[in-house]
Amino acid sequence: EADIYQTPRYLVIGTGKKITLECSQTMGHDKMYWYQQDPGMELHLIHYSYGVNSTEKGDLSSESTVSRIRTEHFPLTLESARPSHTSQYLCASSEGTANGYTFGSGTRLTVV
Amino acid sequence: EDQVTQSPEALRLQEGESSSLNCSYTVSGLRGLFWYRQDPGKGPEFLFTLYSAGEEKEKERLKATLTKKESFLHITAPKPEDSATYLCAVCIYNNDMRFGAGTRLTVKP
Repeated sequence: EADIYQTPRYLVIGTGKKITLECSQTMGHDKMYWYQQDPGMELHLIHYSYGVNSTEKGDLSSESTVSRIRTEHFPLTLESARPSHTSQYLCASSEGTANGYTFGSGTRLTVV
Repeated sequence: EDQVTQSPEALRLQEGESSSLNCSYTVSGLRGLFWYRQDPGKGPEFLFTLYSAGEEKEKERLKATLTKKESFLHITAPKPEDSATYLCAVCIYNNDMRFGAGTRLTVKP
C-alpha cells in the first residue's frame, strides 16, 4: 500500500502547455523532494522542501516551480512544457535520513 | 566533487549464482550510504543504510557492506524475483542524497 501518491502516472502533452504534477504523502513527513530520472542515469534533485512554506532548488537546473502550502502536498508545475522536459519525475519524502526516502511510483512525462 | 559510481551497469546471473554489486564514492562528509531497489515503472524502494566502515546489514538474500571508499551489495543464491535495478546513494554533510546510475540485475531461471 503506497504512502506517497503521484498523479498522473503517464502524461503526453504538447509543447507550450502548462502542467502540474501532483504528489501527496500520508506519513506526516516534513521533508519532500522532486527528482528527475532518465533511463540508465542517476536521479537528479530538482526541488526540495523541509516544511510548509519552505522550498529550495536542487542541483539540476529546472524550469519548474514547486509549492508547499500543506505538509502532505508538494506539487510541481511546468509553466510551458518543452520536449527537453520529457523524463520520469519522482517524488519522495522522509522523516530523517536513517530510513532513507519513501518514493512515489513516478510520473512519466512526454512532451511532443 | 562528490561522486557516486556503480558497477557493473548491468549484470546477468543464473538462478543460484551468487555475485556482488559495487558502489564507489568520493564525497566530503559522508553521513550515510543507502541501497535501494527499483522495479520497472516504480519508484526506488529503500533497502539498507550503512554509516561506518566495517558495518554490514542483511535482508533475505542481500547483504550490504561498507568500507571507507566503497560499498558492496552481495546477492547470495539469487532468484528471478531479485531482478531489478539496484541504486546506491550517499548522504553528505548538507543532507543532500546523491545517487548512482544503478546496476540493472537480471536473474534467469
